[in-house]
Amino acid sequence: AQSVTQLGSHVSVSEGALVLLRCNYSSSVPPYLFWYVQYPNQGLQLLLKYTSAATLVKGINGFEAEFKKSETSFHLTKPSAHMSDAAEYFCAVSDGGSQGNLIFGKGTKLSVKP
Amino acid sequence: GAVVSQHPSWVICKSGTSVKIECRSLDFQATTMFWYRQFPKQSLMLMATSNEGSKATYEQGVEKDKFLINHASLTLSTLTVTSAHPEDSSFYICSARDWASASTDTQYFGPGTRLTVL
Repeated sequence: AQSVTQLGSHVSVSEGALVLLRCNYSSSVPPYLFWYVQYPNQGLQLLLKYTSAATLVKGINGFEAEFKKSETSFHLTKPSAHMSDAAEYFCAVSDGGSQGNLIFGKGTKLSVKP
Repeated sequence: GAVVSQHPSWVICKSGTSVKIECRSLDFQATTMFWYRQFPKQSLMLMATSNEGSKATYEQGVEKDKFLINHASLTLSTLTVTSAHPEDSSFYICSARDWASASTDTQYFGPGTRLTVL
């Protein structure tokens, strides 16, 4: 069975500081991995995805994530936080099956201080 | 590209009534659509998976007679909450899986529907 663990339900950074949101996965097959962002009262927006090509994946809004098989991790980073980055971030894993079900982590709320 | 819409964005209804929520993929055909429920400050819970032209697959614990799903075309899926009760109040989000990205299992999400049952 697949699972996703997001370490830290709440992360707070200062504007301009490095953003690091942690995600570890468990999968018996090569996984597809995703990061989504959710702003209040809105749906989820895809930030980036890993699909077994390059291990360093660049996404929108300056975010990137690195797939590390040895650590079963897919942490999300951004060099310099903006106030507009404050939101809920979800890591998700899929096994690539015919149904394409996503298993989501519990989410990490990012706060950005001025 | 890859835009998914939901209608309505919010709805308030009386207990015992039924509510229909629409999910549309605007610029692509969706092989599969998904319906999620999200409680405040929690993650998404998959309710069911719907494939065009076939019956939906419900997750364990989700009442299929209460949450009716119809996937009439490759661009439209509907969720009907029948005989709604206050405990059905929640944020409902749909997603659609693009044919073109089926091999990578990318889902595109709608903006969500806030249901409040009085």
